[in-house]
Amino acid sequence: DAKTTQPPSMDCAEGRAANLPCNHSTISGNEYVYWYRQIHSQGPQYIIHGLKNNETNEMASLIITEDRKSSTLILPHATLRDTAVYYCIVRVVNSGNTPLVFGKGTRLSVIA
Amino acid sequence: NAGVTQTPKFRVLKTGQSMTLLCAQDMNHEYMYWYRQDPGMGLRLIHYSVGEGTTAKGEVPDGYNVSRLKKQNFLLGLESAAPSQTSVYFCASSSDRRPLHFGNGTRLTVT
Repeated sequence: DAKTTQPPSMDCAEGRAANLPCNHSTISGNEYVYWYRQIHSQGPQYIIHGLKNNETNEMASLIITEDRKSSTLILPHATLRDTAVYYCIVRVVNSGNTPLVFGKGTRLSVIA
Repeated sequence: NAGVTQTPKFRVLKTGQSMTLLCAQDMNHEYMYWYRQDPGMGLRLIHYSVGEGTTAKGEVPDGYNVSRLKKQNFLLGLESAAPSQTSVYFCASSSDRRPLHFGNGTRLTVT
């Protein structure tokens, strides 16, 4: 079973920040938080990952709470092309033999 | 650099027929995975491989077989297709400390 909990759907106005929450209350000390997204009919796309510090890249920012039991993915200026299903996953980073377990994710709809 | 390539992109099979889905990656990744995705659902792991010549079962392995004879290729076989295997199949690859890279899927219909 997935070790994360996400809301099934969210809406966001175009140009506004999209804040996608994720709960991972049973996360272990050596598990990272990964975010992927899946745009309709395509393969999932990696967005960002982090352990305990906040992370930022060209796509998004990841805010992890101090107790690491939850996190938020932030798309700073959402566009229509960001409409997708977003998956939050926890995984030990050096663990090719423990594959990603996907839940149902959050379906983000960016509205013009 | 093509990344992860899946062939074919689409296929229709009759119940009982067999087929092989091919996944090829050009990133020299050690790990490769096969997932299936049914409508409105997340991805479920079928089989995976942590290196050439090794395979392991995932969450939903029944009805499928896999082989990893070469590091860059991971084959998924259906020996006797059933309508319940109608799905979209995604292949992925990764190496230690690196995120998974996914292919764009194979859409399989079994009638």
